[in-house]
Amino acid sequence: ETGVTQSPTHLIKTRGQQVTLRCSSQSGHNTVSWYQQALGQGPQFIFQYYREEENGRGNFPPRFSGLQFPNYSSELNVNALELDDSALYLCASSFRPGAEVGDEQFFGPGTRLTVL
Amino acid sequence: KNQVEQSPQSLIILEGKNCTLQCNYTVSPFSNLRWYKQDTGRGPVSLTIMTFSENTKSNGRYTATLDADTKQSSLHITASQLSDSASYICVVVGGSYIPTFGRGTSLIVHP
Repeated sequence: ETGVTQSPTHLIKTRGQQVTLRCSSQSGHNTVSWYQQALGQGPQFIFQYYREEENGRGNFPPRFSGLQFPNYSSELNVNALELDDSALYLCASSFRPGAEVGDEQFFGPGTRLTVL
Repeated sequence: KNQVEQSPQSLIILEGKNCTLQCNYTVSPFSNLRWYKQDTGRGPVSLTIMTFSENTKSNGRYTATLDADTKQSSLHITASQLSDSASYICVVVGGSYIPTFGRGTSLIVHP
């Protein structure tokens, strides 16, 4: 098990609602990345936060937003929920936002979001 | 466009048998390739990480190979166990920090 935790574990919302998912990074890590994983698919990169600033974004609309706090924990907010937002949302923390072996991402257990 | 293709999509084997999963990628430039194991409804857990200069790396019964020239990797599982039933995801990291994920191979090990 990694030291990355996510809450809640499961969540059910209705279309049009807003949701906030939370992630606590592993000790010593200052970078958090968020991914959306639809059933049967690989994770898709949403965005990354490094030292409280957004450090890159995937192909997701603006209604997906995030925050990173001084303790490097992070939130993912999704507004105006759509049925297709139903997925497992993963957060991963790393020591730094690089591409080297030492920048390995450690994943949390995920939050399963269901939009009805 | 950076892509990672995995095959087969799914695989069923008997407990104790060996199997090999394949990964082809077009990510460039290349930094490293990672294999993850993901149990249903859980986050991925790293199995191996290989850089350009590494041809093979083992982690217990898991052995990954990398051919950077042909841009192919494989994950070999020896003497499979019921607990090996999971999705195995190949991830390639290029020049940016954004990894490219494959869709995974779903492995089912039957007793």
